[in-house]
Amino acid sequence: EVVLTQSPGTLSLSPGERATLSCRASQSVNSGHLAWHQQKPGQAPRLLIYGTYRRFTDTPDRFSGSGSGTEFTLTISRLEPEDFAVYYCHHYETSPATFGQGTKVEIK
Amino acid sequence: VQLQESGPGLVKPSETLSLSCTVSVYSISSGLYWGWIRQSPEKGLEWIGSINHSGTTYYNPSLKSRVSISVDTSKNYFSLRLDSVTAADTALYYCVSAGTDPLGAAHWGQGTLVTVSS
Repeated sequence: EVVLTQSPGTLSLSPGERATLSCRASQSVNSGHLAWHQQKPGQAPRLLIYGTYRRFTDTPDRFSGSGSGTEFTLTISRLEPEDFAVYYCHHYETSPATFGQGTKVEIK
Repeated sequence: VQLQESGPGLVKPSETLSLSCTVSVYSISSGLYWGWIRQSPEKGLEWIGSINHSGTTYYNPSLKSRVSISVDTSKNYFSLRLDSVTAADTALYYCVSAGTDPLGAAHWGQGTLVTVSS
């Protein structure tokens, strides 16, 4: 099983700032099978990025994904008020699919 | 794709948890995969399994002995069955459209809370 470890646990930033979220895999992951989901309080997660860098439908271009092997990054170039949420990385190459424990982006 | 979970919110220990997911706006026979993911404070997000329209299934090995996912193409819905539940199965259960990757999660239902308690 691929274990995904996200850091930091919480990121305290102000609107307009840049957010950099990290996801480390316990073994190498095919970059075509790494996704990022956003979850706001009381809502279901929503797919933002798949295949490491591909934006899903309606994902704003301030969100970008990068990485390879065991290190992956989600970057939010300029935080908007609606971006404060929890973000999960998700590996879906081999069974079982796994998720990181999440990074909370909160308003500073 | 719109997904809506339904089923009992309370299940007794040792009994069977049964949930359905109705798919709207899209045909379940499209060739995509459809899955279940659950979320709890203890385990976070946990992938349960998935199925396609022809019945090909993938299950999380940790749950494989207790889980079954089925599909009804005539009514455009798929279902989850989890046997011998314990308190550890208490969670928010989401149905998802997995897309072309059986382990993926492209669209999520709103989720339904299932509590295991006597």
